[in-house]
Amino acid sequence: DTGVSQDPRHKITKRGQNVTFRCDPISEHNRLYWYRQTLGQGPEFLTYFQNEAQLEKSRLLSDRFSAERPKGSFSTLEIQRTEQGDSAMYLCASSLAAGGPPETDTQYFGPGTRLTVL
Amino acid sequence: AQTVTQSQPEMSVQEAETVTLSCTYDTSESDYYLFWYKQPPSRQMILVIRQEAYKQQNATENRFSVNFQKAAKSFSLKISDSQLGDAAMYFCAYRSADSGTYKYIFGTGTRLKVLA
Repeated sequence: DTGVSQDPRHKITKRGQNVTFRCDPISEHNRLYWYRQTLGQGPEFLTYFQNEAQLEKSRLLSDRFSAERPKGSFSTLEIQRTEQGDSAMYLCASSLAAGGPPETDTQYFGPGTRLTVL
Repeated sequence: AQTVTQSQPEMSVQEAETVTLSCTYDTSESDYYLFWYKQPPSRQMILVIRQEAYKQQNATENRFSVNFQKAAKSFSLKISDSQLGDAAMYFCAYRSADSGTYKYIFGTGTRLKVLA
């Protein structure tokens, strides 16, 4: 059973460029989450999918950010016109909605993509 | 809105000793889940332990146990017989039991150093 994988692990880009990150969840997991973690802080929620439907978005997810999960498997997070403030670790997590109470729905995290915007 | 506070930015413990990491949270909900995650340097976060708010019994996982005080909104992690491999950032997280949201709310973390 492979864990959550993310690609690339590191990305350096110049301000104004677009970047795209990929996340592959644990194979049977139907929920997928994106978080952003800046230095010295805990992860902050960005968005979440159940299968291919994007069900919740944080106010942190500005218009320059877009996430997709087209077939309910892998997901991509795109940032357009990157800014220096976008520099952070972008974490992906996945979980299995087992259904029925109680539903702890534990999230399993990937290694993250570290973005540096110059 | 719910918040999670970890007031200890850094803690140190001697190998084989016991250490307790603090976490408090604020919520108006009665049902929720609490988690401790470990993030080793340059490695991914892994689940250490979880607690369902409706359970009065404190969760334990080998050397890791929690002290869950619902009325005080406190959720501390005790690590017994500390090992060098326990050195990491530890994050406390909250998740509502409301089926409309599954996001975690994290604290700012506590860096644990284990001294040989």
